[in-house]
Amino acid sequence: DAGVIQSPRHEVTEMGQEVTLRCKPISGHDYLFWYRQTMMRGLELLIYFNNNVPIDDSGMPEDRFSAKMPNASFSTLKIQPSEPRDSAVYFCASNGGAGNTIYFGEGSWLTVV
Amino acid sequence: QKEVEQNSGPLSVPEGAIASLNCTYSDRGSQSFFWYRQYSGKSPELIMSIYSNGDKEDGRFTAQLNKASQYVSLLIRDSQPSDSATYLCAVGTSYGKLTFGQGTILTVHP
Repeated sequence: DAGVIQSPRHEVTEMGQEVTLRCKPISGHDYLFWYRQTMMRGLELLIYFNNNVPIDDSGMPEDRFSAKMPNASFSTLKIQPSEPRDSAVYFCASNGGAGNTIYFGEGSWLTVV
Repeated sequence: QKEVEQNSGPLSVPEGAIASLNCTYSDRGSQSFFWYRQYSGKSPELIMSIYSNGDKEDGRFTAQLNKASQYVSLLIRDSQPSDSATYLCAVGTSYGKLTFGQGTILTVHP
C-alpha cells in the first residue's frame, strides 16, 4: 500500500507568492492532519479533518493559511501571501480512527525568501 | 502550560546504557499515547503506542503510562548509536486530535 503522499517535496518561493501544498492520505483513512515543524516551535498541529470535515483549525496561524479537503483522497494547505517566517517543513499525516497510529508523509520543505 | 511537554534534553548516553525519555500532558481526557522517532531530514515514525496504565515492552523499548500523574515515558535498553535521533511524545484524545511534544534529542556515543 502506498503511504501518505505529499507534493511538492521542496519549494522555494518569493515573499508574497501563493503556496499550495498537496496531500493524498492512505486509502481508507478517515482522519487527515496537517502539521508544521520548525526548530523553534517543534511539530505543531495546524488543522485536522475527519471524513473531509475540518474538526479543529485552532492551530492555523492566521488568515493567510487555509486548508481544504474536497474528497477523501485529497487535501490542500494554502498560504497566501507567503512570508519568510512560513519557512518550515509541512507534514501531512493520516489514520484510520481516533486513537489509531498516524502515518506521516515525507513532508514538504518550504523556503520563502 | 503546554499540552504536551518533554524533558528538554539533549540527552547523551553511552552505547549499551539505558536511555530514559519523559513526557507529561495536560488533558486528563487523553486516551492514546505514542512515541515517535525522527531522524534528521526524515518524517516521524512510530516506535510504540500505549493506551492503558502500566508498562508495554517491545524489544529494547518499554513505554510506561501513568494516567493519574499524566505521565508517559520511554526506556531504551542497550542503547545503540543507531538510536540517535529526536524522540517525539504524542498524545491523542477521543475525538481524534493528536498533539506532539517538542521532542528530545538523543545521542548515543560509542
